[in-house]
Amino acid sequence: SYELTQPPSVSVSPGQTARITCSGHALPKRYAYWYQQKPGQAPVLVIFQDTERPSGIPERFSGSTSGTTVTLTISGVQAEDEADYYCQSADTTGTYVFGTGTKVTVL
Amino acid sequence: QVQLVESGGGVVQPGRSLRLSCAASGFNFTSHVMHWVRQAPGKGLEWVAMISFDGRKKYNSDSVKDRFTISRDNSKNTLYVQLNSLRPEDTAVYYCSRSLADWGQGTLVTVSS
Repeated sequence: SYELTQPPSVSVSPGQTARITCSGHALPKRYAYWYQQKPGQAPVLVIFQDTERPSGIPERFSGSTSGTTVTLTISGVQAEDEADYYCQSADTTGTYVFGTGTKVTVL
Repeated sequence: QVQLVESGGGVVQPGRSLRLSCAASGFNFTSHVMHWVRQAPGKGLEWVAMISFDGRKKYNSDSVKDRFTISRDNSKNTLYVQLNSLRPEDTAVYYCSRSLADWGQGTLVTVSS
């Protein structure tokens, strides 16, 4: 079955930049989405269609894509950004899949 | 304002069934694809099923295949999922989602004897 691979954890100091990667062979053909999830809460969409930011999401969140890897970048990380982050896409049959998840720790 | 409220979770024995519901409001329910996504305790998100706006197309993940059935009643603005032949590994918080953009708060299903 199709898999999206993320690093288990990323640590970053306040004000620095966090980059979270997501790799999958179908990513050149399918959009990627990114979600932030804080403990005990539902996921929140932070990036859609690879690079677009929903209204209400701070500008410090951005998405980019290169080949089979997409990246979520959080510029000027704040303490409130500490959370789990998941990428999501679909395989070539249209089945949806989530990435393995990355825990972002703000030092 | 989009609102999605799941219900129907609880403790159920292995092999038994459960039906979850998701009441939707604040948007045109009949125009949107809907999903169920689950999250086992301490684990990541897992996509479960999707249904088209009119209910004609349905897709399941391989892990739940024919055991779970997604459905919707557009006259009631409600999404459902029928969980059959439940296993301990189905224990999770089940979220409903509008187009994977808006999410409910989830309902916990615990499969245990």
